[in-house]
Amino acid sequence: QLQLQESGPGLVKASETLSLTCTVSGGSISTSNYHWGWIRQPPGKGLEWIGSISYSGSTYHNVSLKSRVSISGDTSKNLVSLKLSSVTAADTAVYYCARHFSLMGDYYMDVWGKGTTVSVS
Amino acid sequence: DIQMTQSPSSLSASVGDRVTITCRASQGISNSLAWYQQKPGKAPKLLLYAASRLESGVPSRFSGSGSGTDYTLTISSLQPEDFATYYCQQYYRTPPMYTFGQGTKLEIK
Repeated sequence: QLQLQESGPGLVKASETLSLTCTVSGGSISTSNYHWGWIRQPPGKGLEWIGSISYSGSTYHNVSLKSRVSISGDTSKNLVSLKLSSVTAADTAVYYCARHFSLMGDYYMDVWGKGTTVSVS
Repeated sequence: DIQMTQSPSSLSASVGDRVTITCRASQGISNSLAWYQQKPGKAPKLLLYAASRLESGVPSRFSGSGSGTDYTLTISSLQPEDFATYYCQQYYRTPPMYTFGQGTKLEIK
């Protein structure tokens, strides 16, 4: 059974870089037609897509986050990483990773991790 | 960017009620729409994708419909476990991006 586990520091200082890891078990991040992405949810608010990486390693991200986002994959460790630079209090949120499956070229998020809370001080 | 507008933002209903939540896109999205359910402190759960396809294991009381810019999620007979927040989400191919609606909180009347 596929499982995703987010991990990383729960507290990050303003202006520094937030770094999170999503470890995937029960499946490979290199499996064709799957993407892997990050979504966040500020306290009491809705969901915001951050960015994703394809099975072949190409990445794409929310343009509203401009150039602050970096997503990478490590096939040897079967994990996906997120780096968000120059954080502010507005980046305080629960961060989720999720698998995206493809249906006729469209992608949907079918498996989610439990999320990890990150606070910016 | 495509904007997704959900309505209502909150809704009170009783067990057994039929409930409909609407999501409107700022431009046509060709059924590239999913619905998620989120309970407090939990990750979202995929309910439907491609506007009307039911995810495996999701009860058949959930259904989706729509086309173009307007989509609906219907729960035919509310159960106690259905009280949660629901989000729509669209996928746009070029450039690839995802946008969520602002959510609809479904509460017990």
